[in-house]
Amino acid sequence: EAGVAQSPRYKIIEKRQSVAFWCNPISGHATLYWYQQILGQGPKLLIQFQNNGVVDDSQLPKDRFSAERLKGVDSTLKIQPAKLEDSAVYLCASSSGNIGRWDFGPGTRLTVL
Amino acid sequence: KQEVTQIPAALSVPEGENLVLNCSFTDSAIYNLQWFRQDPGKGLTSLLLIQSSQREQTSGRLNASLDKSSGRSTLYIAASQPGDSATYLCAAGPYNFNKFYFGSGTKLNVKP
Repeated sequence: EAGVAQSPRYKIIEKRQSVAFWCNPISGHATLYWYQQILGQGPKLLIQFQNNGVVDDSQLPKDRFSAERLKGVDSTLKIQPAKLEDSAVYLCASSSGNIGRWDFGPGTRLTVL
Repeated sequence: KQEVTQIPAALSVPEGENLVLNCSFTDSAIYNLQWFRQDPGKGLTSLLLIQSSQREQTSGRLNASLDKSSGRSTLYIAASQPGDSATYLCAAGPYNFNKFYFGSGTKLNVKP
């Protein structure tokens, strides 16, 4: 079974530029999450999708971050414009709904200069 | 809001030692508590999940306990090996289905 795929793995941009991350969850997983992990901190939930609907986006900075999950499969997370404090690893995870059975992707490391 | 704290932030031990990692949470009304492992450049791997009705879970050399009344969980690693070197994260899940709040992790280094 293929795991959660994310791309790109690394991205370096300048502040005020735009960036987009892509996630392909495990086939059949209805729930998809985007987490932000700043160096030295635990992951923080940005947004949770159930199929293609948003369940929780309370911690998503909506003035600059957006996310979508078309057709309930792949998802993209966009930052526009990026700030220095957005430098972090962005993790995508998916779940089939069984409590605690999560699968995480390798993450995208974003550096904003 | 749930706050999760992990102590110590870093730990270095010689190979073969038994060790305990600590996790505390502020809201005892949790649904479950999960321990993850994170290797550099990799995603998170689930190690153990403890439901709120349980007191502990075991997998191989790992044992996790949960004390909701005191807001604490521990991860016990027996006979540590260099391959155990990684960052260990705990996450508390409230009664909001499938949502977890993470601690900042304990970075473990097991020296050969």
